[in-house]
Amino acid sequence: QQQVKQSPQSLIVQKGGISIINCAYENTAFDYFPWYQQFPGKGPALLIAIRPDVSEKKEGRFTISFNKSAKQFSLHIMDSQPGDSATYFCAASRKNTGFQKLVFGTGTRLLVSP
Amino acid sequence: NAGVMQNPRHLVRRRGQEARLRCSPMKGHSHVYWYRQLPEEGLKFMVYLQKENIIDESGMPKERFSAEFPKEGPSILRIQQVVRGDSAAYFCASSPLREDTQYFGPGTRLTVL
Repeated sequence: QQQVKQSPQSLIVQKGGISIINCAYENTAFDYFPWYQQFPGKGPALLIAIRPDVSEKKEGRFTISFNKSAKQFSLHIMDSQPGDSATYFCAASRKNTGFQKLVFGTGTRLLVSP
Repeated sequence: NAGVMQNPRHLVRRRGQEARLRCSPMKGHSHVYWYRQLPEEGLKFMVYLQKENIIDESGMPKERFSAEFPKEGPSILRIQQVVRGDSAAYFCASSPLREDTQYFGPGTRLTVL
């Protein structure tokens, strides 16, 4: 059973545009929602993360929007650049397991065209 | 501070052989996680270890797979009698504290012929 659904599977955005990736989760016990960026041949790297006590978190050009009632969260990349071309994974975990048992979405392959 | 190191980066095995994947966590990190990534899929949790202890192995297949994190040396993920379905990228992550951010290694890409 997939607990975190991610869309779209792939995305092409013009340089300077806004990239938007969406995730939906089922388990209401999740309380930590990170986004990871993965370049080909590399491991995932934490990009930005949010907890459900806030509805939005911004770090530079990257913003997470969180909708607790809808059980959805999204990543917005403003002023997208070719260097942002990578695969992005959303994830979720719940604190009371004692560690971050991350459940990942299936990934979105982003291509930013020059 | 070197990142998480994994070796080998690529491993080719024939069906029935054993695969040993190694992970050296970041300096000062005593928590290690293993994930498996099948082609075109997200990462799936396999096992969480602290030094000399397996804390949670709920994502690891019951047979043929084992993991350890000894007092000295790297964490090892061992797959016995590999089958084609074991072909995947295996990622290790480490964290300094139990609920801290996980830092991922570059992965080991296992191909079973």
